[in-house]
Amino acid sequence: EDQVTQSPEALRLQEGESSSLNCSYTVSGLRGLFWYRQDPGKGPEFLFTLYSAGEEKEKERLKATLTKKESFLHITAPKPEDSATYLCAVHAGRDDKIIFGKGTRLHILP
Amino acid sequence: SAVISQKPSRDICQRGTSLTIQCQVDSQVTMMFWYRQQPGQSLTLIATANQGSEATYESGFVIDKFPISRPNLTFSTLTVSNMSPEDSSIYLCSVSSGTGGLEQYFGPGTRLTVT
Repeated sequence: EDQVTQSPEALRLQEGESSSLNCSYTVSGLRGLFWYRQDPGKGPEFLFTLYSAGEEKEKERLKATLTKKESFLHITAPKPEDSATYLCAVHAGRDDKIIFGKGTRLHILP
Repeated sequence: SAVISQKPSRDICQRGTSLTIQCQVDSQVTMMFWYRQQPGQSLTLIATANQGSEATYESGFVIDKFPISRPNLTFSTLTVSNMSPEDSSIYLCSVSSGTGGLEQYFGPGTRLTVT
């Protein structure tokens, strides 16, 4: 069964303290892995798509990487406005369905 | 990316009643998706709605409980029927990027509370 697991469930960091969020996946025929940011009371906001192992994408303080079994979202020198839930999702198989992890709640303390 | 709006943004409903959620997209899209997000849980796909055909429901979701309409390429509705407190959740619609990418873009969600 296709599965996406994110860790940790929650993470509290001081402003400027870099860290990484993990997304491990077990799917047959990965077509794409996605990272989203979700703020309270809002829908998920698309951040990155990664298609193959070794690929990296960057946006401001965020960098996403992909291996054959997991993806990392690296956050460099985070600011309080980076506080949100970060969701990982995978697209596998021949249809257009994507499977989401439960997310990591990130809280950056000023 | 597509701009998606949903109505209502939130509602409090009585047990046994029904609520219809609207999803409007600012461009024509082939596929629209409806998700449920329960507290502390991941997004769960309810159904996929293609214009001109019946919606395709995921395991655990049935048309009698969650009827979906897709009258044109920019609009869809999801009805939550005969509601119970277990239906309290955030309901989200999304669309595929349409640019060849596989990512989806989401509306702001509808927060439903059933009392």
